[in-house]
Amino acid sequence: DQQVKQNSPSLSVQEGRISILNCDYTNSMFDYFLWYKKYPAEGPTFLISISSIKDKNEDGRFTVFLNKSAKHLSLHIVPSQPGDSAVYFCAASNDYKLSFGAGTTVTVRA
Amino acid sequence: GAVVSQHPSWVICKSGTSVKIECRSLDFQATTMFWYRQFPKQSLMLMATSNEGSKATYEQGVEKDKFLINHASLTLSTLTVTSAHPEDSSFYICSASLAGLNNEQFFGPGTRLTVL
Repeated sequence: DQQVKQNSPSLSVQEGRISILNCDYTNSMFDYFLWYKKYPAEGPTFLISISSIKDKNEDGRFTVFLNKSAKHLSLHIVPSQPGDSAVYFCAASNDYKLSFGAGTTVTVRA
Repeated sequence: GAVVSQHPSWVICKSGTSVKIECRSLDFQATTMFWYRQFPKQSLMLMATSNEGSKATYEQGVEKDKFLINHASLTLSTLTVTSAHPEDSSFYICSASLAGLNNEQFFGPGTRLTVL
């Protein structure tokens, strides 16, 4: 039972433009949400997170938005850079366990 | 800071043998370590959660006798895949969480296991 879903397996964006990655979840008990970036054959690296009591968190080029009523969160990357090309995983936490989405592969075109 | 290492980074073994994967937190003490498995183009699936000095908690569907987890110290957890079969071939990733910051996990680089 996939509790965290990333319905877009891939995203292609031009350098300098905004990348928007979406994530939906089903478990209303999730209280913390995270985005991770992953390169092939490497472990995920933490990008940004948001608590369920907030609706927005910003860190440099990365902003995460949370819509609890819709059980939806998104990650905005602006401006997108070639080094942002990677797989992005959305994760949700409940009782310290993380449930991951399937990932979205972002390709930033020069 | 918050670096997690895994060893080996890749391993090829024959069917029926056992393989041990180590996960170490290099610059912090991890109260909890997690083991994940990732199939190609799929999400990371949590296999088990381990706390130092206690038995691991396995997720539903994960055979505890096949995937032995030992968390002997605050900086080391091991995953042993016993009697490995080709279907056990996968990418295994561990993570560690800092005491008091249990929502954030720091991931190791992963271990690619191929069972022939």
